Order: sequence, then C-alpha cells, then structure tokens
Amino acid sequence: AQTVTQSQPEMSVQEAETVTLSCTYDTSESDYYLFWYKQPPSRQMILVIRQEAYKQQNATENRFSVNFQKAAKSFSLKISDSQLGDAAMYFCAYNTNAGKSTFGDGTTLTVKP
Amino acid sequence: GAVVSQHPSWVICKSGTSVKIECRSLDFQATTMFWYRQFPKQSLMLMATSNEGSKATYEQGVEKDKFLINHASLTLSTLTVTSAHPEDSSFYICSANSPGTQETQYFGPGTRLLVL
Repeated sequence: AQTVTQSQPEMSVQEAETVTLSCTYDTSESDYYLFWYKQPPSRQMILVIRQEAYKQQNATENRFSVNFQKAAKSFSLKISDSQLGDAAMYFCAYNTNAGKSTFGDGTTLTVKP
Repeated sequence: GAVVSQHPSWVICKSGTSVKIECRSLDFQATTMFWYRQFPKQSLMLMATSNEGSKATYEQGVEKDKFLINHASLTLSTLTVTSAHPEDSSFYICSANSPGTQETQYFGPGTRLLVL
C-alpha cells in the first residue's frame, strides 16, 4: 500500500521569506502523480502544484516549486516570498491513474508578519 | 478549472435523523467521485468511491448501511448519513476527477455536520 509521510506537523515562516515543507512517500509503482494541496481556514482544498513522476523537471507555479527526488521518494514544496495568505494546512498527496489519492497528515504553516 | 459544489455547507440535526449531502460537478461530467471525512487538524480520510451507475466502493471500516452513497448522474453524487449520532459530527468533503486528468482531484467546499 502507498503511504505518504509529512514529518513536520507545524512550520512557521516570516513574511517575504522562503519555507520548505517536506514530504516522503512509499510506492512500488513507477507511474504516479504527486500533489500539494492547500487548505486554508475556510477548509476548501485548493490544488497548489502537481508533478508527474515520469517528468524529471521539477514543477513550478509562480512562488511555489517542488523538489522531486524520485529515487529518494521525496517531494518537498518550496514557498518563496511567503505571504500572509499562504497560512494554511498543506497536504502532500499521491495518486495513480486509478484516481484514488493517498494524503499525508498535513503541515500547518504559520506566516508571521 | 473544474468546479465542484456541495450542499448544504453546514447542517445541524437531531440524533436519529438522516442527513443528505449533495456533491455536484458544475462544469464537467464526473464518472467517479470521492467522499472524505475530516476531523479538525487532521488529514482527509477516504470513506468511499462513488461510481456513476454502479455501487459505491467503501473503504475498510466504513459502514455502508450507515453512509449511503448514490451516484445518480454524471454530475451528482449524494451521501446520506442515516440515523445520525453525535459521533458522526464531522466535516465531509467530496471530490471529483476532472475529465482527461483522472489523477487530479477537485474538491467541493465541504459540509459541516453537527449532530445534537
């Protein structure tokens, strides 16, 4: 069975600084997808970024980028120029073509003004 | 992008009553939808996979007679919590896969259920 581990229950960052959230996963599949979702206080899940395992290039979306290390089964999220609106719970997730996702336990990010 | 709605956004009910939560894909058809339960500051727990035109697939430990799922059309799945009890109080979230990207899920805004 696939597992997703987020080892940082809580993280904090100063506004305008950079923070990295960690995620590791375990799978025997070779073709899969990885995601970071943001859940703000409204509790609406928002897709932040996705990465296809077959792509070596790290995905980027504006201030959000990932460091995907397939051999190490690591998928960290870097948030640059942190903003107050980035404060939320962040979930790392794994999926295959079957469509069913496995989520990590989440990391609560606090942004300090 | 793909939009998923849920109704109601919150509901309070008496113990013993049944509550129905609707999940709709607004601008796309979803053959598969997922239902999650989330407790405060915890991760999403998958309850079941809802398949249009067939029976839902429930995760281990989820009572199928307690949580009835119906996927009546390509844009609507419903979750009915039958004979609700206070321990059923939780945040329920549905999601659907956008067509063409089966691996990417789009989430509804969630439904807060409080059973008194």
